[in-house]
Amino acid sequence: QKEVEQDPGPLSVPEGAIVSLNCTYSNSAFQYFMWYRQYSRKGPELLMYTYSSGNKEDGRFTAQVDKSSKYISLFIRDSQPSDSATYLCAMCAGNTGKLIFGQGTTLQVKP
Amino acid sequence: GAVVSQHPSRVICKSGTSVKIECRSLDFQATTMFWYRQFPKQSLMLMATSNEGSKATYEQGVEKDKFLINHASLTLSTLTVTSAHPEDSSFYICSAQRDREFANYGYTFGSGTRLTVV
Repeated sequence: QKEVEQDPGPLSVPEGAIVSLNCTYSNSAFQYFMWYRQYSRKGPELLMYTYSSGNKEDGRFTAQVDKSSKYISLFIRDSQPSDSATYLCAMCAGNTGKLIFGQGTTLQVKP
Repeated sequence: GAVVSQHPSRVICKSGTSVKIECRSLDFQATTMFWYRQFPKQSLMLMATSNEGSKATYEQGVEKDKFLINHASLTLSTLTVTSAHPEDSSFYICSAQRDREFANYGYTFGSGTRLTVV
């Protein structure tokens, strides 16, 4: 079993839709949770960062962490074609500083 | 914001040759840099952790003699793929930790290097 599981998709939605992306994990030591966006042939770009459980909102993006269920989510409101990319969840226990990534979900937002 | 520059962005080399990839933190000091490898449609796999002035720590299964990492300064880490073979063709990405408290900064990634060994 992988430490972090993420459905690779692809996920296709119409412009304006609400997108829900999710990851589950098995290591209860993870405390830091991140979402990255990666365009083709580019490095990942940090979108959202959350420490421990809770919600965090930034513009059209909302990140949720439920440590009791070992489940994290990223919501994108009013999705745009420019949101089309691969979204990677990443987690870290904190003591090592090592990020463990999910496989990434490919999102396509159609005009 | 924090910027990490990775160079070259693409390289094609002949089998048996060595290739050096540079990762620079442009506006901050990176105590720790990480090197990842990413195959098409797959996630980033950590290869090694590089700390300034000390030997890199390699993940299980990564050949340290093949993937040489040098972190000579707080702003520069290099990855050298020695005696490259076609199976080394991949997308290599570095990231830099801004300081111990990555809670506020997370990690900043370079733009990646596409290595093709022919």
